[in-house]
Amino acid sequence: DIQMTQSPSTLSASVGDRVTITCRASQSISYWLAWYQHKPGKAPKCLIYKASSLESGVPSRFSGSGSGTEFTLTISSLQPDDFATYYCQQYNTYSWTFGQGTKVEIK
Amino acid sequence: EVQLVESGGGLVQPGGSLRLACAASGFTFSSSPMSWVRQVPTKGLEWVSLISGRIGSTYYADSVKGRFTISRDKPKNTLYLQMDSLRAEDTAVYYCAKAVAVMVNFYNYYYMDVWGKGTTVTVSS
Repeated sequence: DIQMTQSPSTLSASVGDRVTITCRASQSISYWLAWYQHKPGKAPKCLIYKASSLESGVPSRFSGSGSGTEFTLTISSLQPDDFATYYCQQYNTYSWTFGQGTKVEIK
Repeated sequence: EVQLVESGGGLVQPGGSLRLACAASGFTFSSSPMSWVRQVPTKGLEWVSLISGRIGSTYYADSVKGRFTISRDKPKNTLYLQMDSLRAEDTAVYYCAKAVAVMVNFYNYYYMDVWGKGTTVTVSS
């Protein structure tokens, strides 16, 4: 299986900060990567697909980039609603794998 | 609006069985690929199974292969996950998700675009 590694595991930030989360794949996945936001007790929400395409209805402060094995999720100006855990997921193979998650906390 | 509502979770003894259901609405369920993903308490997300759209091909994580079965009832707009020979490590919140297929060179790439809120399964004696 393709291993996905996110960094950092936890991130403390303030409202208005620019935040970047990194995701690395153990082998090339081209651009077949999605990013999800998850809050406790809620349904996970797809933010980005195909590495950099914004899902419909997602605020433009979210952006994704990368290809091959290195990817990033950027929040340009952190808002109160953005404090959550973020996961990357590769869908290059029929054995989908997620990163371990990055928890974005209030500083 | 796309809606997915899971049900069927509960407490079951090791070795027991449980069937989860996911009621779908707001999209063409019969032709949409669907998936189950779980979250072990205090840990991350783990993909469990996927069923493709029209043909209904099925895929499973190695950790559940041979024990879990994904299926769908198209007239009822309902997705199922039959879980047999349950183990303590299957304890998790189980999410149903609608998937999107992108075909490139006759190969489908699937990602999950809409998720339900989940149902909790506890395997314990």
